[in-house]
Amino acid sequence: ETGVTQSPTHLIKTRGQQVTLRCSSQSGHNTVSWYQQALGQGPQFIFQYYREEENGRGNFPPRFSGLQFPNYSSELNVNALELDDSALYLCASSPPGGQSNYGYTFGSGTRLTVV
Amino acid sequence: AQTVTQSQPEMSVQEAETVTLSCTYDTSESDYYLFWYKQPPSRQMILVIRQEAYKQQNATENRFSVNFQKAAKSFSLKISDSQLGDAAMYFCAYSGNQFYFGTGTSLTVIP
Repeated sequence: ETGVTQSPTHLIKTRGQQVTLRCSSQSGHNTVSWYQQALGQGPQFIFQYYREEENGRGNFPPRFSGLQFPNYSSELNVNALELDDSALYLCASSPPGGQSNYGYTFGSGTRLTVV
Repeated sequence: AQTVTQSQPEMSVQEAETVTLSCTYDTSESDYYLFWYKQPPSRQMILVIRQEAYKQQNATENRFSVNFQKAAKSFSLKISDSQLGDAAMYFCAYSGNQFYFGTGTSLTVIP
């Protein structure tokens, strides 16, 4: 079975720009969540999607938005980029039954640098 | 809000020895799960072990085991017979209504 894949692996953007990060969930997984991991920190929960609907959100402003598609892949969009948005963005998926039972399967992340 | 605390930013262990990584958490929920994840330089989070809060028995996965003290809200990870490949960042995580990670412990394995 394939794991969670994220693209691109690295990205450099200018402050004020918009960015879209992509995630393909592991086969059989219908829940996708996104995390921001600043350098030297643990991942912070951004939001979670289940059956194409957002069903949980962390303490992130509305300029962080997302989508989930019928094939359960997902996008994270960030508008009006700020320097503090520079981080590793991790996508994780979990099977039906949710993360509580199984834990997440993570991708290798997208390293976003805002200059 | 739930919090997860890892008080050891860095730890080191001699190869083949045993090391214990500490984690405490705070919650008012009664039903939750706890996890340890490993993050090597490749950046991918790898699930090491999980514990259901309603189970008193400590989880074990090969060389990895936990000491779960629910009343004390403590969830430590013991790595036995440490190997060079165990070197990584280790994150404790709590899953209830949301998923929360600690700040991580960087483990160095000394040959």
